[in-house]
Amino acid sequence: GQQLNQSPQSMFIQEGEDVSMNCTSSSIFNTWLWYKQDPGEGPVLLIALYKAGELTSNGRLTAQFGITRKDSFLNISASIPSDVGIYFCAGRGTSYGKLTFGQGTILTVHP
Amino acid sequence: KAGVTQTPRYLIKTRGQQVTLSCSPISGHRSVSWYQQTPGQGLQFLFEYFSETQRNKGNFPGRFSGRQFSNSRSEMNVSTLELGDSALYLCASSLDTFPYEQYFGPGTRLTVT
Repeated sequence: GQQLNQSPQSMFIQEGEDVSMNCTSSSIFNTWLWYKQDPGEGPVLLIALYKAGELTSNGRLTAQFGITRKDSFLNISASIPSDVGIYFCAGRGTSYGKLTFGQGTILTVHP
Repeated sequence: KAGVTQTPRYLIKTRGQQVTLSCSPISGHRSVSWYQQTPGQGLQFLFEYFSETQRNKGNFPGRFSGRQFSNSRSEMNVSTLELGDSALYLCASSLDTFPYEQYFGPGTRLTVT
């Protein structure tokens, strides 16, 4: 099935560092969402973006909807140990109930 | 407000059997989507139900089916289980109005032996 190209696949960082990850697609999306998944749990919605060029923050998280509508970026500032997990981007086209997901970025934070 | 609930959380089945998974959406949410998550394929869209009708469908064989009840609760069924069906099955619910954000349940871990 179709997937978005998400990078990097994994990151190992020190506590306090900033983190950046991104997603690209060959298709245009109307909505970009970023989720975090902890082991044994379902994805939790972090940020949702609805307009090209939109920049949205949620605490230490900032995400942007690319101008071309084919990409999105997520930044995490001043990382802490509880940021550990898998981060997924997801795009929604014209089918409201269908999300297309990236492969995920595994984030490890060393204290 | 209670979140999305899925039952059972864990299931072990034998190849050839069938299985039914259940999902209760957030109160007021009428759209329910199902996803399969595996290490190799990641998160893949199965189908979406709204008002008891399948509205969208992913690229999965006919062995995967679902339904939605009048109270928006949904079930998915997998018949003639194969080893490759072992996965985490996730259900997500949303309002059918803007912003259409999907909220996920904890998933059902299905193991086929």
